[in-house]
Amino acid sequence: GESVGLHLPTLSVQEGDNSIINCAYSNSASDYFIWYKQESGKGPQFIIDIRSNMDKRQGQRVTVLLNKTVKHLSLQIAATQPGDSAVYFCAENKEGTSYGKLTFGQGTILTVHP
Amino acid sequence: DAGVTQSPTHLIKTRGQQVTLRCSPKSGHDTVSWYQQALGQGPQFIFQYYEEEERQRGNFPDRFSGHQFPNYSSELNVNALLLGDSALYLCASSLLGGAVNNEQFFGPGTRLTVL
Repeated sequence: GESVGLHLPTLSVQEGDNSIINCAYSNSASDYFIWYKQESGKGPQFIIDIRSNMDKRQGQRVTVLLNKTVKHLSLQIAATQPGDSAVYFCAENKEGTSYGKLTFGQGTILTVHP
Repeated sequence: DAGVTQSPTHLIKTRGQQVTLRCSPKSGHDTVSWYQQALGQGPQFIFQYYEEEERQRGNFPDRFSGHQFPNYSSELNVNALLLGDSALYLCASSLLGGAVNNEQFFGPGTRLTVL
């Protein structure tokens, strides 16, 4: 079936380093991708999104890259801080009848060491 | 704070019982989606309510049902609870049915434990 998944379940980095979290998706019809951050005891928090007609999008300290050829999505966090420690999920959506129906991947646990 | 509220925060039930979870969307939002998040997994879409009707549904049995009220708040009902229903239940609100590029705001969730 269609799915959105992650290559690495855990990632540990030192404070100040750059972090890269990867995600693979299998549905070539997906046209909208989102990264969420989920801290313990909280719901997912929107980080950044990208549409399928784009290859790159930048936010504050974060960059999302989309490679449609290999169906790969990545989230880059610059100068990672301890407050970035959380579980990161990629999610995908499709236009048409699937408005608002997000399909989430398994998640990557990011741990930032001071 | 995204403004989405859910109640209760935690809930413990036994197998076979029924449960009702509640969600109030962010101010100004008209659409509510429900997700189930098992421990160590990503959220799984249950269904979405817009204009007081179920618009979309994920791969969940009919034991899972919902309702949306005129004030856009929503309830999730689960009948005949199973141990496997233990999870964090998340509510997400959005505008206009959560169309593409329409950010969904998640609440903190309700932690349901079935014994």
